[in-house]
Amino acid sequence: EVQLVESGGGLVQPGRSLRLSCAASGFTFDDYAMHWVRQAPGKGLEWVSGISWNSGSIGYADSVKGRFTISRDNAKNSLYLQMNSLRAEDTALYYCAKADGYNSAFDYWGQGTLVTVSS
Amino acid sequence: EIVLTQSPGTLSLSPGERATLSCRASQSVSSSYLAWYQQKPGQAPRLLIYGASSRATGIPDRFSGSGSGTDFTLTISRLEPEDFAVYYCQQYGSSQRLTFGGGTKVEIK
Repeated sequence: EVQLVESGGGLVQPGRSLRLSCAASGFTFDDYAMHWVRQAPGKGLEWVSGISWNSGSIGYADSVKGRFTISRDNAKNSLYLQMNSLRAEDTALYYCAKADGYNSAFDYWGQGTLVTVSS
Repeated sequence: EIVLTQSPGTLSLSPGERATLSCRASQSVSSSYLAWYQQKPGQAPRLLIYGASSRATGIPDRFSGSGSGTDFTLTISRLEPEDFAVYYCQQYGSSQRLTFGGGTKVEIK
């Protein structure tokens, strides 16, 4: 059974940093692309960042480019999102999602980890 | 960046009725790389349709997708009680930058 479990969320002050993790199981992690998607409270889905199976393709939404860094450790079956210079508008539930390829639909999602940016 | 505009924002229908949801792209979506997701309160999104018209594993055949280029449609032929939810379209063909539409809420009339 495919499982994606996010962690690392919490309350953080504006301007500080946070690192999210996504632990994957139930599939061959290094065969698949992975993405981060966020959802602000009461709002819609926003794609944040994606990474191909070998980290050869990486992309970011304009809203986070230059502040967030996506990475993966295939030996540890884990996906990461390093978030720097956090802003109030980054407050959201952050999901990790699996895709067959970088340019593929997201067939499995985690349950999300909540990031709250507030002083 | 490809902007996806979904309409209507809210659709009020009764169980058994047909639902038609629209997703319009600001530029052509390459190779019909268009997906639809369903999200219920407190849950993660679930993939319904990929490639504009292919149903994901386990999705009932009352859900169907159509369209190409800039205009796409999700149709639910006969609404079941469990279908009342928010639906999002997504394009995943635009190089390295993917986008979601703003969502359509299907609510019970």
